[in-house]
Amino acid sequence: QQQVKQSPQSLIVQKGGIPIINCAYENTAFDYFPWYQQFPGKGPALLIAIRPDVSEKKEGRFTISFNKSAKQFSLHIMDSQPGDSATYFCAASWRSGGGADGLTFGKGTHLIIQP
Amino acid sequence: DAGITQSPRYKITETGRQVTLMCHQTWSHSYMFWYRQDLGHGLRLIYYSAAADITDKGEVPDGYVVSRSKTENFPLTLESATRSQTSVYFCASSFTGTGEGNSPLHFGNGTRLTVT
Repeated sequence: QQQVKQSPQSLIVQKGGIPIINCAYENTAFDYFPWYQQFPGKGPALLIAIRPDVSEKKEGRFTISFNKSAKQFSLHIMDSQPGDSATYFCAASWRSGGGADGLTFGKGTHLIIQP
Repeated sequence: DAGITQSPRYKITETGRQVTLMCHQTWSHSYMFWYRQDLGHGLRLIYYSAAADITDKGEVPDGYVVSRSKTENFPLTLESATRSQTSVYFCASSFTGTGEGNSPLHFGNGTRLTVT
């Protein structure tokens, strides 16, 4: 059973556009929602994260929007650049989960920003 | 240099052979993880370890064995490789089990394994 559903699987956006990647979760115990960014040939790296007590978090050109009632969260990339082309993973975890299986990843979105 | 390193970077092996993927981290992180990445499946947790001599199964542990005799090392062994284990394998480490707070999961650059 997939606990975090991510869409779309792939996305092509023109430079300067605003790609949006969406994730939905089912487990209401989740209380930490990170996004990881992965470039070709590299491992994923933490990009930005949010907790459900806030509805939005911005770090530079990256914004997470969080809708607790809908159990959805999304990543927006403002003024997207070709260097943002990468695979993006959403994830979710819960403190009471204890061990590492408390961090569940979505299936990833392959984003291409065209010049 | 501090970091997390995986070896080998690429590996080709035959069905039925045993193969071990190595992972070494220099941060003294308590937690270490093995994930596999496959198209259409994203990242799936194979095994994780909360400390030396403590390991536990993740989502897809069948066919894999791990050990952690030292905090810094977490090798992954495929006892009898199968074609379905062709994948990219990532090792990661963190001070916490979920990467919360100021200790996100730090991933290595992966091992691309092909089983023929």
